[in-house]
Amino acid sequence: DGGITQSPKYLFRKEGQNVTLSCEQNLNHDAMYWYRQDPGQGLRLIYYSQIVNDFQKGDIAEGYSVSREKKESFPLTVTSAQKNPTAFYLCASRTDINYGYTFGSGTRLTVV
Amino acid sequence: GENVEQHPSTLSVQEGDSAVIKCTYSDSASNYFPWYKQELGKRPQLIIDIRSNVGEKKDQRIAVTLNKTAKHFSLHITETQPEDSAVYFCAAGTYKYIFGTGTRLKVLA
Repeated sequence: DGGITQSPKYLFRKEGQNVTLSCEQNLNHDAMYWYRQDPGQGLRLIYYSQIVNDFQKGDIAEGYSVSREKKESFPLTVTSAQKNPTAFYLCASRTDINYGYTFGSGTRLTVV
Repeated sequence: GENVEQHPSTLSVQEGDSAVIKCTYSDSASNYFPWYKQELGKRPQLIIDIRSNVGEKKDQRIAVTLNKTAKHFSLHITETQPEDSAVYFCAAGTYKYIFGTGTRLKVLA
């Protein structure tokens, strides 16, 4: 069953902690993306990667970091430098520029 | 910077009526325009898309139109049903997409 899997579904972070959100896909897609969604708002791009070992900052990259060591995996780390991390995080992948994204089911991060 | 504006932010229609959501984009290099439907707490699902070399596309009750000169594209839903109630997002781009802020559609039975 092909798809894109995000884990965990819910994540709680204490002040000053770094946390890592997992995103794995078995669709053989080259490009992967991380978006952040706040209540009642649209999706804002954090980071994206068009190929293994390469990634670019999106519109709101401050306080986040990523890696792309394998085609299937694109983890997102929310660092302590991100002052307002509570949000719904969506990972997506795409085979090429002529197609839309396939989204994962999301991770809801809450600061406690 | 690149921007996508979406209107209206909320839309209520009677069951069976039509709904129209409009978006404008700023990046003239954009060549792909998808529309997503998102139900509460769920992932966005692609419902229809259009490429820059096409002016209109239809899939059953859903249609999208694109005016590249005006940098404007629209989603049309006909014969709306209660299950169409959701948040709809437009997006525009090439290798990455910029999303609109969403339209909450309510179909009243």
